Amino acid sequence: GNSVTQMEGPVTLSEEAFLTINCTYTATGYPSLFWYVQYPGEGLQLLLKATKADDKGSNKGFEATYRKETTSFHLEKGSVQVSDSAVYFCALRFGMEYGNKLVFGAGTILRVKS
Amino acid sequence: DAGVTQSPTHLIKTRGQQVTLRCSPKSGHDTVSWYQQALGQGPQFIFQYYEEEERQRGNFPDRFSGHQFPNYSSELNVNALLLGDSALYLCASSLGGPGRIPRGGYTFGSGTRLTVV
Repeated sequence: GNSVTQMEGPVTLSEEAFLTINCTYTATGYPSLFWYVQYPGEGLQLLLKATKADDKGSNKGFEATYRKETTSFHLEKGSVQVSDSAVYFCALRFGMEYGNKLVFGAGTILRVKS
Repeated sequence: DAGVTQSPTHLIKTRGQQVTLRCSPKSGHDTVSWYQQALGQGPQFIFQYYEEEERQRGNFPDRFSGHQFPNYSSELNVNALLLGDSALYLCASSLGGPGRIPRGGYTFGSGTRLTVV
């Protein structure tokens, strides 16, 4: 079936460190890929997305590239801030024939220390 | 512009009881999806409503049911509550139903935290 696997957390970094959160997926076909962020007590917010192979999504200093050959969509940021502390979810979505529902990974907690 | 509004924010119920959660979609959106997020897990798709009908459903028992009203707001009902139903329930709204890629994507609410004791 279709699934998303994320690296386990928590990930603890010092401010200005480099961030990588790994995400791989299993899917038939070519899904769209997303990263969502969830701050404490809040719902999910879309961080970035990519809809086809080799697309790079970017937002607020975060980047992820859709790698079809490795079925991966790793999240990176060059210099994290304390305010980036949150839970990050990788997700995929198939097209209309699958009703557009999102399939999420288990989430990765990021803690950034000052 | 109001986003997605969910109520209540927190709820405590006893095993065997029934619960109703409510969601008002973002202005201009006509499709509502419900997700269950157990502690430490990612959200799991429950079902989606469009044009007042359930359009697709995830792997959840019939104890989970829903409704969509003419103003696009939605309710999630869970009967015969089990301890395992304790979770954060998220509502996501979008535009265009299951047959279209949602322009503008999904907007999530902050969720209802349900605790079953």
